Amino acid sequence: AQTVTQSQPEMSVQEAETVTLSCTYDTSESDYYLFWYKQPPSRQMILVIRQEAYKQQNATENRFSVNFQKAAKSFSLKISDSQLGDAAMYFCAYRSADDMRFGAGTRLTVKP
Amino acid sequence: DSGVTQTPKHLITATGQRVTLRCSPRSGDLSVYWYQQSLDQGLQFLIQYYNGEERAKGNILERFSAQQFPDLHSELNLSSLELGDSALYFCASSVDIYTGELFFGEGSRLTVL
Repeated sequence: AQTVTQSQPEMSVQEAETVTLSCTYDTSESDYYLFWYKQPPSRQMILVIRQEAYKQQNATENRFSVNFQKAAKSFSLKISDSQLGDAAMYFCAYRSADDMRFGAGTRLTVKP
Repeated sequence: DSGVTQTPKHLITATGQRVTLRCSPRSGDLSVYWYQQSLDQGLQFLIQYYNGEERAKGNILERFSAQQFPDLHSELNLSSLELGDSALYFCASSVDIYTGELFFGEGSRLTVL
């Protein structure tokens, strides 16, 4: 079964600084999708960014960008110019035709 | 608003009881996923349906069952409830089984006393 590993249970960042959240995954598939979801205290699951495995270019959404290393099966999320509203649980997710699996999450704290 | 509707939003019941959680996917989405999230835990995949058929099954207990109806809404049935079943149950939908992201409902918060 595919697994998704987030090795950082908690991270903190100073407001306006940059932070990188790590994610690795295990798969034998060649075509798949990767995602980062944000879960604020409201517990709503919000999509932050997505990456198609066939695309070499790293996805970017405003202050959020990823570093996708397919050979290394690594998918990290970089948050630039961190804001107080970025404080949340962040889940890395993998999707193939079989199912979609999530990492255990990284709790991000933003310090003013 | 993700377009995925879950009811009820909150539910309090007693051990041994049975509850049904309902999910209406986004218009046009054929695939429905159910996840369980206990307090301060990650998302545990329970089951997936596609166009009325079970597609994949995760760590779903035998006391739990689900189905997807012809109109594509889905129900998750939880029976013989235990204290440990208290959790947030998410439904998510996507257009198909492979491409794109999942859109999540707001969840149904189940408390078993």
